[in-house]
Amino acid sequence: QKEVEQNSGPLSVPEGAIASLNCTYSDRGSQSFFWYRQYSGKSPELIMSIYSNGDKEDGRFTAQLNKASQYVSLLIRDSQPSDSATYLCAVSGNTGKLIFGQGTTLQVKP
Amino acid sequence: GAGVSQSPSNKVTEKGKDVELRCDPISGHTALYWYRQRLGQGLEFLIYFQGNSAPDKSGLPSDRFSAERTGGSVSTLTIQRTQQEDSAVYLCASSLMAGRSYNEQFFGPGTRLTVL
Repeated sequence: QKEVEQNSGPLSVPEGAIASLNCTYSDRGSQSFFWYRQYSGKSPELIMSIYSNGDKEDGRFTAQLNKASQYVSLLIRDSQPSDSATYLCAVSGNTGKLIFGQGTTLQVKP
Repeated sequence: GAGVSQSPSNKVTEKGKDVELRCDPISGHTALYWYRQRLGQGLEFLIYFQGNSAPDKSGLPSDRFSAERTGGSVSTLTIQRTQQEDSAVYLCASSLMAGRSYNEQFFGPGTRLTVL
């Protein structure tokens, strides 16, 4: 079983719609959860971090964490073509290292 | 302020040669991490440094890989006797410190290594 799992996609949504990206993790001791956006040929860019159960909103982005279900999600409202990228879920515990999922490719169609 | 910088941006080498990759973290960040990303794959943890503590080398794939961090700042990742399977983008990240609440890691642009 992979430690962090994401559907590879592609997830295709029309412009203006809500994109929903999901991630599950296996280590119940995980404490910190992150979403990174990675454009083709570029390095990952941190877009959201979440540490406690519930929702965290930042602009058009909302991260949701459910530790009991070992589930993290990212919602992107009013999706734009510029949001088309690969979204990486990353998880860490007491140590510093991040464990990444394989990423979900999002395509926002005009 | 300045972000994480890495050099070179691209490195082409012949199988069996040694390579050195450099990372300069964000000023004030005490934790520094190296990851590898093979084409079409997710990121794979290699090693991290936190202040003066012993580094966590648990992700290094073989003894051909080593890294050091001088003066708590710049880090060098060395790959000896490179193999074709070492071809990947090597990414460096830094954070204020390792730990629960301050582990937001910011990535540099990466070094694309191609082993012929």
